[in-house]
Amino acid sequence: DAGVTQSPTHLIKTRGQQVTLRCSPKSGHDTVSWYQQALGQGPQFIFQYYEEEERQRGNFPDRFSGHQFPNYSSELNVNALLLGDSALYLCASSSPAGTYEQYFGPGTRLTVT
Amino acid sequence: KNEVEQSPQNLTAQEGEFITINCSYSVGISALHWLQQHPGGGIVSLFMLSSGKKKHGRLIATINIQEKHSSLHITASHPRDSAVYICAVNPYMDSNYQLIWGAGTKLIIKP
Repeated sequence: DAGVTQSPTHLIKTRGQQVTLRCSPKSGHDTVSWYQQALGQGPQFIFQYYEEEERQRGNFPDRFSGHQFPNYSSELNVNALLLGDSALYLCASSSPAGTYEQYFGPGTRLTVT
Repeated sequence: KNEVEQSPQNLTAQEGEFITINCSYSVGISALHWLQQHPGGGIVSLFMLSSGKKKHGRLIATINIQEKHSSLHITASHPRDSAVYICAVNPYMDSNYQLIWGAGTKLIIKP
């Protein structure tokens, strides 16, 4: 079992560009959550996907969007990148409702210049 | 006041010492998580607790639901244990699936 995987590991983009980050959940998990962690800060919840729909969203602008595929993998898209979007983006997967156990991926380090 | 409070914020100890990190929370919870993050690295789940005590290697986590308190202990600490340890909870609330995070405890173990 590969656990939660994320790609790419690191990414450098320019202001105004768009970026797509990818996450494959742990085998058997159907729920994916995305978090943003700025340097020196705690993770901030972006949104969670379940059954291919956004189930809950944190306090992030519409520039942040996502998608979940039938195989439960997920993408996080960020449009019109700002310098402040530079952060570690973490993906966590969890199993069907009732267990709460979350497994985290290694993260994608996004740098916006 | 934050809903999840950790103490201490920073902890420096010598190799071999017994380490305790505390977490107090003010909301009803369904589960509590202890997580580890090395500098520049991703987050690793150490424990998920809803009651009692769990042990994995040199790590022990306990939770007291009545007192809304949890502790993470590290026995025979080692420099590789140096990391940020984070407490997070699943609030006992319908339609709220996000974790509430503590600020983290930065642990440094000196050889």
